[in-house]
Amino acid sequence: QKEVEQDPGPLSVPEGAIVSLNCTYSNSAFQYFMWYRQYSRKGPELLMYTYSSGNKEDGRFTAQVDKSSKYISLFIRDSQPSDSATYLCAMSAGGNNRLAFGKGNQVVVIP
Amino acid sequence: DTGVSQDPRHKITKRGQNVTFRCDPISEHNRLYWYRQTLGQGPEFLTYFQNEAQLEKSRLLSDRFSAERPKGSFSTLEIQRTEQGDSAMYLCASSFSTDQPQHFGDGTRLSIL
Repeated sequence: QKEVEQDPGPLSVPEGAIVSLNCTYSNSAFQYFMWYRQYSRKGPELLMYTYSSGNKEDGRFTAQVDKSSKYISLFIRDSQPSDSATYLCAMSAGGNNRLAFGKGNQVVVIP
Repeated sequence: DTGVSQDPRHKITKRGQNVTFRCDPISEHNRLYWYRQTLGQGPEFLTYFQNEAQLEKSRLLSDRFSAERPKGSFSTLEIQRTEQGDSAMYLCASSFSTDQPQHFGDGTRLSIL
């Protein structure tokens, strides 16, 4: 079993829709949770960073962490064509801060 | 604001050749990480430096791979006797401390002919 599971299936949504992404994990030591956005041939760009359980909102983006269920989510409201990218969840236990990533979700927002 | 810089952006080489990549982290970041990403996968951890000390290496880092960070600033990743399976995007990231997020460069894409 991989440490982080993220269903990589491509997701196509119409412009303005809510995009919902999620990851599950198996390592209960994880306490830092991140979402990165990656455009083609570019490096991952940090979107959201949360510590422990709870919600965090930043503009159109909301990240949720449920440590009891080992489940994290990212919601994108009012999606725009510029949101079309691959979204990667990542997490770490602190210490050396090695990141464990999911496979990524390719999101396409159709104008 | 200068982010993490990686050079070259793309390297094409023949199987069996040696290659070296460079990473310049964000200036005040003392932690530096190397990851490898293959098509359709998330990045996988390779190694980690705190200042000039290499503190952890993944099992993915075979003895053909070596990384250095001689003065605690930039880092180099060398691959000796490259193999087809080394074709990937090599990403560098840096952070200020354990509880601060990692910021990535745009990577070096390695293609083995």
